[in-house]
Amino acid sequence: NFMLTQPHSVSESPGKTVTISCTRSSGSIASNYVQWYQQRPGSAPTTVMYEDNQRPSGVPDRFSGSIDSSSNSASLTISGLKTEDEADYYCQSYGSSNSWVFGGGTKLTVL
Amino acid sequence: EVQLVESGGGLVQSGGSLRLSCAASGFTFSNFWMSWVRQAPGKGLEWVANINQDGSEKYYVDSVKGRFTISRDNAKKSLYLQMNSLRAEDTAVYYCARAGRAVAGIDYWGQGTLVTVSS
Repeated sequence: NFMLTQPHSVSESPGKTVTISCTRSSGSIASNYVQWYQQRPGSAPTTVMYEDNQRPSGVPDRFSGSIDSSSNSASLTISGLKTEDEADYYCQSYGSSNSWVFGGGTKLTVL
Repeated sequence: EVQLVESGGGLVQSGGSLRLSCAASGFTFSNFWMSWVRQAPGKGLEWVANINQDGSEKYYVDSVKGRFTISRDNAKKSLYLQMNSLRAEDTAVYYCARAGRAVAGIDYWGQGTLVTVSS
C-alpha cells in the first residue's frame, strides 16, 4: 500500500490563507479520490472535503481542495483563516484491496 | 439529520473480547457502506474495517484480520464490531462512520467510543 505524507504542523495568522499538502508515495494521486477531515481538540472528526474538491453542505467556501499530478499531491486550502479553523487535518484516499489510507495528520495553528 | 451513536466501549484485559455497536438514524441505513475507524491516544486516524450494504463484502486492516469481525443488521439500523483477542495496541477511540456515495471515504462520523485494553 502507498503512504500519504502530510506536514506535521502549519501555522498562520487570522485572515490569511494556508495550504496543507498530502503527498502520495506511490501510484498516481489522481487514481483515487482524496478526502479531508477536520478534528478539533476533544472532538470527533468531521468531513470538510470529499472526492478531491467537493465541499459537504455546511462547510464554508473558504475551504477548497485540489490535486496536482506533477507533485503527486493533494492540497486543502483554507482562506480567510479564523481561530475556529485551528484543528488537526487528515487526508485520506482509497488503497489496495479495498482499504483506506490516512495521512498522519497536520496540526493547524491559527495565531 | 444523520446520527451515528456508538456504544460498548470500556476497559478489557489483554486477550479479552468486546462488541461495539453503532445505532444509525436520519438516513436509509441499508443503502450505504459503513466503516469503523480508530484513533489511539495522541495518534492519528486508522481505518479498521468496511462493510457493504448487505454485509456480503467485508474488508479489514491487516492488524485486525482474524481477530475483529464487522457486521450489520439493516432491520435494526445497526453496525457492529466484534473484537476478540484484544491487545494493548488496540487501545483507541473507535468511530463508526458512513461511507460516501463513491465509497472513497467518509461523509459522516459518530462521536466515538473508547476501548482500553490493559496488559
